[in-house]
Amino acid sequence: AQSVSQHNHHVILSEAASLELGCNYSYGGTVNLFWYVQYPGQHLQLLLKYFSGDPLVKGIKGFEAEFIKSKFSFNLRKPSVQWSDTAEYFCAVNARTGFQKLVFGTGTRLLVSP
Amino acid sequence: ETGVTQTPRHLVMGMTNKKSLKCEQHLGHNAMYWYKQSAKKPLELMFVYSLEERVENNSVPSRFSPECPNSSHLFLHLHTLQPEDSALYLCASSQDIPSGRSSSYNEQFFGPGTRLTVL
Repeated sequence: AQSVSQHNHHVILSEAASLELGCNYSYGGTVNLFWYVQYPGQHLQLLLKYFSGDPLVKGIKGFEAEFIKSKFSFNLRKPSVQWSDTAEYFCAVNARTGFQKLVFGTGTRLLVSP
Repeated sequence: ETGVTQTPRHLVMGMTNKKSLKCEQHLGHNAMYWYKQSAKKPLELMFVYSLEERVENNSVPSRFSPECPNSSHLFLHLHTLQPEDSALYLCASSQDIPSGRSSSYNEQFFGPGTRLTVL
């Protein structure tokens, strides 16, 4: 069975600081990888996704993530965070074979102080 | 209407009540999902419907009963719930691609959720 681990449950940063949120998954086969974001009071939105090709994926709002297959990781990064990035971030994985159930991590709550 | 909508947005019910949550997707997708989001837990997949057939039921108690009358609508019928069922219930939809195609994927689009409180 697949599983997803997000190492940081809470992160507090000042504006302009750099961000890296860890995500590791366990699954032996080929996967698709996602980062979703949930802003306060809003619904889950897709931030970025990786299916194939360049392992460095660019998403919305200046976010990017790098797929490192050998480490089973898909860490999310942003060079300079803003107060508006305060949200909860979820990493998710689904396997390419069989029914494509999406498995989520527990989420990382990011607070950016102005 | 855009994306995935859910009603009601908030629901308070007693343990003996019967209520239903409704989800509607306007994206032309063929798969719909119910998730439960509780504090400090990963999103828990409850039910999946693909092409209007239930394809997954993740050991959900029978007090939760899903219904998918067509590819655009999904219901979650609730009866005799417990206080620990209080959570945010999220609906999602995706375009399910039949297995056998190596490049298949399903990006899911989420609704705003129904915040359920069971007293």
